[in-house]
Amino acid sequence: GQQLNQSPQSMFIQEGEDVSMNCTSSSIFNTWLWYKQDPGEGPVLLIALYKAGELTSNGRLTAQFGITRKDSFLNISASIPSDVGIYFCAGRGYGGSQGNLIFGKGTKLSVKP
Amino acid sequence: GAGVSQSPSNKVTEKGKDVELRCDPISGHTALYWYRQSLGQGLEFLIYFQGNSAPDKSGLPSDRFSAERTGGSVSTLTIQRTQQEDSAVYLCASSLFGQGGEKLFFGSGTQLSVL
Repeated sequence: GQQLNQSPQSMFIQEGEDVSMNCTSSSIFNTWLWYKQDPGEGPVLLIALYKAGELTSNGRLTAQFGITRKDSFLNISASIPSDVGIYFCAGRGYGGSQGNLIFGKGTKLSVKP
Repeated sequence: GAGVSQSPSNKVTEKGKDVELRCDPISGHTALYWYRQSLGQGLEFLIYFQGNSAPDKSGLPSDRFSAERTGGSVSTLTIQRTQQEDSAVYLCASSLFGQGGEKLFFGSGTQLSVL
């Protein structure tokens, strides 16, 4: 079945640093979604991508839908402490189950001690 | 309502008891999802409802788990004879199928603890 690999699993950030994470799939997706989850809350949608090559920004966040339709990345520029949390990618493919939506296992952002 | 509402927010139960978790989706959203999230883990798909179509139950881990959606709105996830491994956060999400329908909006979840 469809699989989605998200990396890195975790990373530490220092305020002001840029952050990058990505997801790759084993099959073609027609939609990519990026979510952020804070402790005790449900995931909140950050960016939605619908076309191969599409580059979309939301404030300091930028995400792209890969040309191959099998990958997407999320960049956070000039990180701030409130950026910590878990970031999930999700992709919607053609056919299959789960409402056609597959989630990555998440990238946990923490502040450098 | 303005967002997806889940109740209760926390549930503590004894092993072997049945529990019911409720999800009230965003008004007008035709698609409804249930996910399970264990501590520090990703989202595990459980079940998906879309309009009047038969639900996609492919993610339910055992026959102790069931869900229904009445009147195309409120959904209830039932876990019978709970086990300790059922302890997790149960998240509900809804979406408007069609234009923009790919965007799932999540509730805050129900934290289930089975003692």
